[in-house]
Amino acid sequence: AQSVTQLGSHVSVSEGALVLLRCNYSSSVPPYLFWYVQYPNQGLQLLLKYTTGATLVKGINGFEAEFKKSETSFHLTKPSAHMSDAAEYFCAVSPSRPMEYGNKLVFGAGTILRVKS
Amino acid sequence: NAGVTQTPKFQVLKTGQSMTLQCAQDMNHEYMSWYRQDPGMGLRLIHYSVGAGITDQGEVPNGYNVSRSTTEDFPLRLLSAAPSQTSVYFCASSYSWLAGSPNTGELFFGEGSRLTVL
Repeated sequence: AQSVTQLGSHVSVSEGALVLLRCNYSSSVPPYLFWYVQYPNQGLQLLLKYTTGATLVKGINGFEAEFKKSETSFHLTKPSAHMSDAAEYFCAVSPSRPMEYGNKLVFGAGTILRVKS
Repeated sequence: NAGVTQTPKFQVLKTGQSMTLQCAQDMNHEYMSWYRQDPGMGLRLIHYSVGAGITDQGEVPNGYNVSRSTTEDFPLRLLSAAPSQTSVYFCASSYSWLAGSPNTGELFFGEGSRLTVL
């Protein structure tokens, strides 16, 4: 089974400051990991994903995340926050062998990012 | 390119009424799913389908029915609405999920349907 814990339901940063959104996962098999972003009154869109290979993955809008197996973490970072980054961010996990373990994407509870001017 | 289209966007029901949330995608995706989003709980999977004629339960299936007669459509039926089903519902689709596929878990979402049950 898979599960996701996002630390902090709300994070507030100043414009230009580092953004760090924390995600820890639990998975019985090697995971695929994702970050999705949701802007107000919209559906979710994929920000970045880790499947295999390089553990540091880059996504859209300057975000990146690092898969750390030993820490079961997949934290999302951005060096300099912009006002347009204000949104809700969801970490998600799926099994890397979906036919055996289910074609299911499990989401965390979400973190609302506020960017102060 | 329309992507994933959900209708209606807003609906108010009375307890005990039934209704269907429609979802259609034009990307020829084999995988389709329904999630509900509630504050502080993220998105929870209701039902999903890996292809026409194949459906399976997710985390919170009770009170909901689905069918998949075509690749394009995946309607969600509320059999007898309850206030606990007040939520925002999202339909999402994807290419086939196969081991080693780069598409696994990459979902395309509709804009959501906000349902209130009184």
